[in-house]
Amino acid sequence: KAGVTQTPRYLIKTRGQQVTLSCSPISGHRSVSWYQQTPGQGLQFLFEYFSETQRNKGNFPGRFSGRQFSNSRSEMNVSTLELGDSALYLCASSLLQGDNEQYFGPGTRLTVT
Amino acid sequence: QKEVEQDPGPLSVPEGAIVSLNCTYSNSAFQYFMWYRQYSRKGPELLMYTYSSGNKEDGRFTAQVDKSSKYISLFIRDSQPSDSATYLCARWGSNDYKLSFGAGTTVTVRA
Repeated sequence: KAGVTQTPRYLIKTRGQQVTLSCSPISGHRSVSWYQQTPGQGLQFLFEYFSETQRNKGNFPGRFSGRQFSNSRSEMNVSTLELGDSALYLCASSLLQGDNEQYFGPGTRLTVT
Repeated sequence: QKEVEQDPGPLSVPEGAIVSLNCTYSNSAFQYFMWYRQYSRKGPELLMYTYSSGNKEDGRFTAQVDKSSKYISLFIRDSQPSDSATYLCARWGSNDYKLSFGAGTTVTVRA
């Protein structure tokens, strides 16, 4: 069974721009969660989508948003990029909403200059 | 206070040694404790998870929970150079339905 895929794998953007990242979950998984990983803050939960609706969210500003499509694929958008948004963005898929058993993709490395 | 605290190490051991990794947690709600392994430039890989008061063994890996001291541990027996990675503990709680991660411990197994 194919794992979680994320595109693109690497991205360089300029401060003030916006960016969209994509995640395809494991086949049959209906929940997608997004995380930000930085050396200083570690792995932090951004939000979770299930059945095309945001079901849970972490403590991030409104510049971070997402959506989920009917095929469970998800996108994450960051607007008005700041230098501090440079991070590895990971998505994780799980069978059900609020599931503890989550499987991560390889991540998208975002660099903001 | 963070939900899960983890000593970031680093930890260096000779091949064949037992690796001992520890985290502490603060919440007393019903919860699962997860262990992930992350190789450089890769996403975290789920190794195993236990219930609030359970222990689990899977091959060379053993996860333990000590509820009285709010301590969770992962032991790796007969460590191999391929075990060199960052190990992350995480908590999933029935109060918030999300994963909270420790800082991760970087382990190097020397051949």
